[in-house]
Amino acid sequence: GIQVEQSPPDLILQEGANSTLRCNFSDSVNNLQWFHQNPWGQLINLFYIPSGTKQNGRLSATTVATERYSLLYISSSQTTDSGVYFCAVPWGGGTSYGKLTFGQGTILTVHP
Amino acid sequence: ETGVTQTPRHLVMGMTNKKSLKCEQHLGHNAMYWYKQSAKKPLELMFVYNFKEQTENNSVPSRFSPECPNSSHLFLHLHTLQPEDSALYLCASSPFREGSEQYFGPGTRLTVT
Repeated sequence: GIQVEQSPPDLILQEGANSTLRCNFSDSVNNLQWFHQNPWGQLINLFYIPSGTKQNGRLSATTVATERYSLLYISSSQTTDSGVYFCAVPWGGGTSYGKLTFGQGTILTVHP
Repeated sequence: ETGVTQTPRHLVMGMTNKKSLKCEQHLGHNAMYWYKQSAKKPLELMFVYNFKEQTENNSVPSRFSPECPNSSHLFLHLHTLQPEDSALYLCASSPFREGSEQYFGPGTRLTVT
């Protein structure tokens, strides 16, 4: 099956700093999602981005499908950004039909 | 209610108990999923349902029994669980088509004693 690797595994920032999270995947995909898991376990959809660039407030994401990676940018970080960030791609690559494989996640801690 | 809801949010059960987790989606989707997230591990897909039919069972032990009476509701029946089954159980839904976006509920945090 498809392999998903996220880096860095842990990231500690001061409030106001910028950061870049990376997601590498081992096969071509037609779907990639970024999620933020808050301290209560809720997975919040950040981006659905199989290719190209999207922005939502202080967050933006870029997926370069041909090179099999995606980047999540967080600018002017806030303490509420703390949590775990996951990327997920279709299981087995290619066709999705809902079966997602998740990366190990990046644990982000933002200090005031 | 909007989105995907799950009840209960927290559950403590003994190894001989029988309990059920409930998931409901209000998004008009036709596919629903159960995921398990153990401590410090990524999410693992357990079951997939499409239009009430199970299309995926990811080698889940029979002590977990899913039920999908319609496209909006999904249950996970639990019996004779083991302490290692303690985890966060997440439900999700999506349109059942190639490349569709998946939405998650808040999860049920299960502790087996």
